[in-house]
Amino acid sequence: AQSVAQPEDQVNVAEGNPLTVKCTYSVSGNPYLFWYVQYPNRGLQFLLKYITGDNLVKGSYGFEAEFNKSQTSFHLKKPSALVSDSALYFCAVSDGGSQGNLIFGKGTKLSVKP
Amino acid sequence: ETGVTQTPRHLVMGMTNKKSLKCEQHLGHNAMYWYKQSAKKPLELMFVYSLEERVENNSVPSRFSPECPNSSHLFLHLHTLQPEDSALYLCASSQEGQGITYNEQFFGPGTRLTVL
Repeated sequence: AQSVAQPEDQVNVAEGNPLTVKCTYSVSGNPYLFWYVQYPNRGLQFLLKYITGDNLVKGSYGFEAEFNKSQTSFHLKKPSALVSDSALYFCAVSDGGSQGNLIFGKGTKLSVKP
Repeated sequence: ETGVTQTPRHLVMGMTNKKSLKCEQHLGHNAMYWYKQSAKKPLELMFVYSLEERVENNSVPSRFSPECPNSSHLFLHLHTLQPEDSALYLCASSQEGQGITYNEQFFGPGTRLTVL
């Protein structure tokens, strides 16, 4: 069975500082990994994904994530945080089943202070 | 309209009521999903329709009944709900199929459901 863990309920960062939101996963086959962001009263928005290829994936709004197979991690990063990045971030994993099901983590609330 | 839309955005209902949630995707996708988002819990996949065939999640109570009349529309029919069913219900769509690499899901804004 596949699973994903986001060990931090909340991450606090000062504006302009780098940010990291952690994610680890477990799948039986090759992982398909995603990051989504949710702003208040909105649905989830896709940020980036890793399917295959380069371990460093670049996505929307300056975010990037690094796939680390040995550590089964897919941490989300941004070099310089903005106050507008404050939101709920979800990591998701799939083993690429035919129905395209995703297993989501419980989410990490990112708070960026001025 | 673009993307994935959901109506209503807010719904308050009693335990004996029957109501329906509607989702419409304008992206030409062939797979649609219902998720339940409760506070402090991971997103729960409820139902998947792929190429208009339903894949049912066995853990979903029968008081939730999905309907997918075509590839652009998805409904969630609700009856005799419980207060613990209060949550944000999210609809999503994606393009799936043979030979297509794994594609991301696009989400609607959700329906905030309160069961009294």
